[in-house]
Amino acid sequence: KAGVTQTPRYLIKTRGQQVTLSCSPISGHRSVSWYQQTPGQGLQFLFEYFSETQRNKGNFPGRFSGRQFSNSRSEMNVSTLELGDSALYLCASSPSGGGAYSYEQYFGPGTRLTVT
Amino acid sequence: AQSVAQPEDQVNVAEGNPLTVKCTYSVSGNPYLFWYVQYPNRGLQFLLKYITGDNLVKGSYGFEAEFNKSQTSFHLKKPSALVSDSALYFCAVRPMNSGNTPLVFGKGTRLSVIA
Repeated sequence: KAGVTQTPRYLIKTRGQQVTLSCSPISGHRSVSWYQQTPGQGLQFLFEYFSETQRNKGNFPGRFSGRQFSNSRSEMNVSTLELGDSALYLCASSPSGGGAYSYEQYFGPGTRLTVT
Repeated sequence: AQSVAQPEDQVNVAEGNPLTVKCTYSVSGNPYLFWYVQYPNRGLQFLLKYITGDNLVKGSYGFEAEFNKSQTSFHLKKPSALVSDSALYFCAVRPMNSGNTPLVFGKGTRLSVIA
């Protein structure tokens, strides 16, 4: 099976702009989670989508939003970019079915966002 | 709320020596515990997990981890380190039977194996 893919891999944006990142999960996985990774804060949970519904949300401002499509592909959007949004954004997919196995997450390579 | 502590930002070990990367956790009830590894410019890769049963869990690339309930720890170990093990390691936890609570990750420990 193909792994989790994320596009684009690298992105440079200017403060105030908005950006959309895309994630395609492993075939058959219905859960997609997004994380922000920075050197100082480590991995911080943004949100999780399951069957097109947001199931969990982390502690991020409303500028961060996401959605999931019927084919389980997911996008996240950040509006009004700030310098502090510069980070590696990771997407992870999980198999459905519940239990510990649904939390054996499979990560994509990430999108490196730089805000100038 | 659950939390994970990785007390060492950096661990240095000589090639061929045993390595330990420490992790302690706090969770209500019993935990599911995970270790992930991240190589440069890559996403996280799953190494191993503890669900229930034997406290010693064996995973990928010769790694193992020992679950210690009394000490709320889940330290990652390998008997003989390789230079190629140099990477960033993350411990993660979620409570068992907690519905859809997301994983909580530690801040990571950078392992450097010196030839």
